[in-house]
Amino acid sequence: DSGVTQTPKHLITATGQRVTLRCSPRSGDLSVYWYQQSLDQGLQFLIQYYNGEERAKGNILERFSAQQFPDLHSELNLSSLELGDSALYFCASSVGGTGSSYEQYFGPGTRLTVT
Amino acid sequence: DQQVKQNSPSLSVQEGRISILNCDYTNSMFDYFLWYKKYPAEGPTFLISISSIKDKNEDGRFTVFLNKSAKHLSLHIVPSQPGDSAVYFCAASGSGSNYKLTFGKGTLLTVNP
Repeated sequence: DSGVTQTPKHLITATGQRVTLRCSPRSGDLSVYWYQQSLDQGLQFLIQYYNGEERAKGNILERFSAQQFPDLHSELNLSSLELGDSALYFCASSVGGTGSSYEQYFGPGTRLTVT
Repeated sequence: DQQVKQNSPSLSVQEGRISILNCDYTNSMFDYFLWYKKYPAEGPTFLISISSIKDKNEDGRFTVFLNKSAKHLSLHIVPSQPGDSAVYFCAASGSGSNYKLTFGKGTLLTVNP
């Protein structure tokens, strides 16, 4: 158990809908990262938050957004869903901050299926 | 443009033998490398890492080797055990990248009893 929790575990929804994925980082970790894993693809970095502020953006679509709340949990919002958005979405956390370790600890993921 | 490449989608070895998983990278700014192991229906689990100032890091049965001039790293598992059967991801990061990780597509390791 990495200490990172994600809910829900599975999500099935229709095209055009909007969903919210939730992540709680390990105790003490300030950085949260979101990754997408599509079929036959490695993990693609989407976005990073550190202590409530956006730090880095990767290949995140404009239809997707995220935020990190004062209690450090994070939510990834996916809107106007398309079939191609079906994927595993992972959240990871780390201590973060200058000079900290690079190791990130991953949650179990949310499997999103868009029908 | 894939900056981290794992060219072998799969590898099969016998229990007790050595498993060698390879990874190549193209971005010279990467200075920290990690290996993750992933079982089905679980998130990736951190395994071992290496900084670019080193060429080898060992942790029990797992050793990671880094060849900076060739932009190549490898993970050695000795001896391999059936429980090691999983997908292994190579990842890289660098100063100035805000610690985000760039992953390869993974190699499925199967260790046969």
